[in-house]
Amino acid sequence: GAVVSQHPSRVICKSGTSVKIECRSLDFQATTMFWYRQFPKQSLMLMATSNEGSKATYEQGVEKDKFLINHASLTLSTLTVTSAHPEDSSFYICSARGLGGGGGYTFGSGTRLTVV
Amino acid sequence: GENVEQHPSTLSVQEGDSAVIKCTYSDSASNYFPWYKQELGKRPQLIIDIRSNVGEKKDQRIAVTLNKTAKHFSLHITETQPEDSAVYFCAATPMNAGNMLTFGGGTRLMVKP
Repeated sequence: GAVVSQHPSRVICKSGTSVKIECRSLDFQATTMFWYRQFPKQSLMLMATSNEGSKATYEQGVEKDKFLINHASLTLSTLTVTSAHPEDSSFYICSARGLGGGGGYTFGSGTRLTVV
Repeated sequence: GENVEQHPSTLSVQEGDSAVIKCTYSDSASNYFPWYKQELGKRPQLIIDIRSNVGEKKDQRIAVTLNKTAKHFSLHITETQPEDSAVYFCAATPMNAGNMLTFGGGTRLMVKP
């Protein structure tokens, strides 16, 4: 079945630094990538949608200059949290759809970001 | 945009009993309704889904029903087991190319042995 590999699984960083999260589709072409954020005991909230080769579309309230999304290829999308602050600490998870992916939504394994 | 409401937020049942989780959605264009099980710190796992051209779907102990007129769908788990304990999310989307899933708020299911 379709697999999305997400790295890192956990990261701790200092306030003010940047962190990059990668999602790779291993056996299908991810034409669309969705990035979600999940705070403890809450639901998954969509941050942005990116289509390969295009600029990402951000949800209301999500700062595009803080959460940089790159989707330059059909197998790789990245989310960079710039100038991270403690309130950015959360579980970030990607979800991909695309050619050869069975038509469904394939989730990455998530990244637990802690900003200290 | 789509809005999905989910109830209850927590549900505690005795092992062997049934559990029912209900969701409503707002966008009549939505036509794909998946249910996910998420364990702490893990990715959501698809457990069952239903499309708008059917009213019910069953997979062993899990079933989902859909009422498009009323815009609600439900997850039914029978003969619950302790390993069913997790957070369950419903979602909805008009499943055209690129449309994102909108999730309900989640239900924390606890199955007591």
